[in-house]
Amino acid sequence: GAGVSQTPSNKVTEKGKYVELRCDPISGHTALYWYRQSLGQGPEFLIYFQGTGAADDSGLPNDRFFAVRPEGSVSTLKIQRTERGDSAVYLCASSSSDPRGELFFGPGTRLTVL
Amino acid sequence: GNSVTQMEGPVTLSEEAFLTINCTYTATGYPSLFWYVQYPGEGLQLLLKATKADDKGSNKGFEATYRKETTSFHLEKGSVQVSDSAVYFCALSETGGSYIPTFGRGTSLIVHP
Repeated sequence: GAGVSQTPSNKVTEKGKYVELRCDPISGHTALYWYRQSLGQGPEFLIYFQGTGAADDSGLPNDRFFAVRPEGSVSTLKIQRTERGDSAVYLCASSSSDPRGELFFGPGTRLTVL
Repeated sequence: GNSVTQMEGPVTLSEEAFLTINCTYTATGYPSLFWYVQYPGEGLQLLLKATKADDKGSNKGFEATYRKETTSFHLEKGSVQVSDSAVYFCALSETGGSYIPTFGRGTSLIVHP
C-alpha cells in the first residue's frame, strides 16, 4: 500500500506489561513522527526521527517510553511497565524532507491498558 | 512555547449552512499553519495550509486565511455537506525551529441533512 500503516490496530494489555507498536511509513519519507491522542484531545507529540536518528524525543513522557528506527524506515514504539494512563491512540506520521510539508498519518494503534 | 487554541465542539449544522471554526495560535517565530481533518474511522489528513502571513489556503470548498495581526487561522466553508462531518484540527509548524507540528484539540463538526 502507498500509505502509512500501523500494527496492531488494537492492543489490549494488562498493567505492568511490555508492548511494542509498529509503524511502516511511506517509502522514501525520511521524517517519522509519533504522536499520542487521548479521547477528545489533539495529537500530542512524542518523538521525531530524521532518518535513523531520534532528532527530538522531548515529548516522551518518561523513560518507560522508547522508540527506534534502525534502518531509517520502519519504526517501533516500545512501552515498558504499562500503566492505565498510557491508554490512548498512538499515531504515526511520515513526511518528505521538506520540514514545512504535509504529514501523512497512519490509522493509529488503540492501546488499552487494563 | 507554541500552542493552538480551537473553539469547543461539537459544531452542529444543517446541510448548506455556513461554517466557521475558530483557531488562534501562539508562536515565537513565523509558523506555517495547517488544517487537518479526520473522517470517521480514518487517519488525519491535510485539508489545507498557509505558509506566510495573508496567504489563503483552500481545498474542497474550505478556506482559511493566515492573519498575523490577530494570530488566527479560522476555517470557513460557504455551504457544508453531510460528508463534511468529521473532526477538524488546527496545527502550526514553526519555521526556523524543529518544524514539529503542534496540534489543537480538534473541533467536531456534525452536519445534518
